[in-house]
Amino acid sequence: GQQLNQSPQSMFIQEGEDVSMNCTSSSIFNTWLWYKQDPGEGPVLLIALYKAGELTSNGRLTAQFGITRKDSFLNISASIPSDVGIYFCAGQGVDGRGSTLGRLYFGRGTQLTVWP
Amino acid sequence: NAGVTQTPKFRILKIGQSMTLQCTQDMNHNYMYWYRQDPGMGLKLIYYSVGAGITDKGEVPNGYNVSRSTTEDFPLRLELAAPSQTSVYFCASSYSSQRGYNEQFFGPGTRLTVL
Repeated sequence: GQQLNQSPQSMFIQEGEDVSMNCTSSSIFNTWLWYKQDPGEGPVLLIALYKAGELTSNGRLTAQFGITRKDSFLNISASIPSDVGIYFCAGQGVDGRGSTLGRLYFGRGTQLTVWP
Repeated sequence: NAGVTQTPKFRILKIGQSMTLQCTQDMNHNYMYWYRQDPGMGLKLIYYSVGAGITDKGEVPNGYNVSRSTTEDFPLRLELAAPSQTSVYFCASSYSSQRGYNEQFFGPGTRLTVL
């Protein structure tokens, strides 16, 4: 399967600091998605990116779809305690029948801890 | 809309037992998925379905079976539970669009322990 490398694996920051995490792939993706998972819950979609070079914001979150289509990053500005959780990147690939639909490949996640 | 619902939330099985994890979505999504999440490993796709009556294997299908008789339901079956299947299982659904986007919406998960 396609491999996504997400870094860093974990981050410990102080409230108010900015955060940056990224994801790289050995393959080209058509869509990049960023999810957040709170403890005991399922992942929740934060931002979706559909075009190479696209830069999209959602409140304090900003994400970009890399020009090469093999990477994406997520920035969180002015972190707050409720930003704590695991952040996952996901790329939409191509399945065995050549369809671009129905398959997402996930990174291993970035565990974010915010100290007050 | 309730979104994606999963039952049960927790389950402990003995080795060799079988069970079905239930998943239902009320968003009329045609695509549905089953993932397992192991600590520090992200999500791995088990099976997915592009519509009623159509299913396909993901990355880690061994030991599992699925069926999709309706648009709303996508149960996951474990026939002979093994300790390696201890994990958190997530069901997800998405819609297909002309532009091919795949924004998946996840259920709250089922935490399964096999002893």
